[in-house]
Amino acid sequence: DAGVIQSPRHEVTEMGQEVTLRCKPISGHNSLFWYRQTMMRGLELLIYFNNNVPIDDSGMPEDRFSAKMPNASFSTLKIQPSEPRDSAVYFCASSFAQQASNQPQHFGDGTRLSIL
Amino acid sequence: GDSVTQMEGPVTLSEEAFLTINCTYTATGYPSLFWYVQYPGEGLQLLLKATKADDKGSNKGFEATYRKETTSFHLEKGSVQVSDSAVYFCALSDRQAAGNKLTFGGGTRVLVKP
Repeated sequence: DAGVIQSPRHEVTEMGQEVTLRCKPISGHNSLFWYRQTMMRGLELLIYFNNNVPIDDSGMPEDRFSAKMPNASFSTLKIQPSEPRDSAVYFCASSFAQQASNQPQHFGDGTRLSIL
Repeated sequence: GDSVTQMEGPVTLSEEAFLTINCTYTATGYPSLFWYVQYPGEGLQLLLKATKADDKGSNKGFEATYRKETTSFHLEKGSVQVSDSAVYFCALSDRQAAGNKLTFGGGTRVLVKP
């Protein structure tokens, strides 16, 4: 079975450019999560969706970050304009969530983003 | 709010040594508990889980028991291998919250030397 698919795997761009990260969750999963991981701050939850609706975006650092989930099989995380401090590994994860469930999240391999 | 506290690493061990990584949690509800492992250059993978008090999760020689009275979920392995070198994350899921949101600990880096 295909896992969570993220693209690109690596992205190097100059500051000020727009960056778009993509995620395809596991088929049948109804929750999707975007995380950021750095050495300094560890693993941070940026935003998550349930049934394509954003539930909690309190982790989004600032207005330069935006995320969308237009349908159950695709999500994007966009940074515009990008800054060097946005350099990190960005992970997408998905899960099948229902009331009082205990299903784990499944992670993609991440996008390693470097802003020069 | 919910929180997870793990022992800080790095933890350096010799092959075949016993490994324990402590994890304690604070939760308003009755959470499910998880251990995830992250190998270099990869995403997090579920290692094991436990969903109620006294449940023992196990996988690949690792074990953890859900201790409600001490709010702990310590990870153990009796004989580690070099291939167990990774970062280990303890996490909890509030089953009443929408969407299976996880609260993660800070991660513990484990290095196993031959």
